[in-house]
Amino acid sequence: NAGVTQTPKFQVLKTGQSMTLQCAQDMNHEYMSWYRQDPGMGLRLIHYSVGAGITDQGEVPNGYNVSRSTTEDFPLRLLSAAPSQTSVYFCASSPFDFYNEQFFGPGTRLTVL
Amino acid sequence: DAKTTQPPSMDCAEGRAANLPCNHSTISGNEYVYWYRQIHSQGPQYIIHGLKNNETNEMASLIITEDRKSSTLILPHATLRDTAVYYCIVPAASARQLTFGSGTQLTVLP
Repeated sequence: NAGVTQTPKFQVLKTGQSMTLQCAQDMNHEYMSWYRQDPGMGLRLIHYSVGAGITDQGEVPNGYNVSRSTTEDFPLRLLSAAPSQTSVYFCASSPFDFYNEQFFGPGTRLTVL
Repeated sequence: DAKTTQPPSMDCAEGRAANLPCNHSTISGNEYVYWYRQIHSQGPQYIIHGLKNNETNEMASLIITEDRKSSTLILPHATLRDTAVYYCIVPAASARQLTFGSGTQLTVLP
């Protein structure tokens, strides 16, 4: 199993550009989520999904969209990038809900100029 | 989520036990205590979780006090690779997410 994979590893955007961060897992996990981590801070939840076709907002959802058309994939879309979105983004998955052990991906380091 | 309080940093000698405390005095009866760690620049890694009984797995032991107001994560024989930020998390029973605070920076010294 590859576990949780994220692409790209690094990305630089200009203000106003849009892009999609990819997240995939091959463990058939129902629960997937996106976090952001700013320098020296803990992780903050952006969006999560409890299964294909079901998504919900976390603590900091503004400026981000998600969809879950398959169990395996959970892409995060930045609609119009802002410097405040400069951060490291982590995707995670777990078998049924966040109560179970969550497996985190390696992260995407995003810089918005 | 129940508020958790952890020391910002701790040191431990290699080969010795590392004992990381966490205070969660407002915890409710059905709320679990979770521990994750994050090695520099990597994604967080699950360590262990428990409700009221002490728990042990291949990575660590979790000791929860009888009144459940505090807990201690024990790494029995710390190695340099255990240097990381350790997060103690107590999600509300109705929550759908883990909330990561500032954690404790554990530095294992040679």
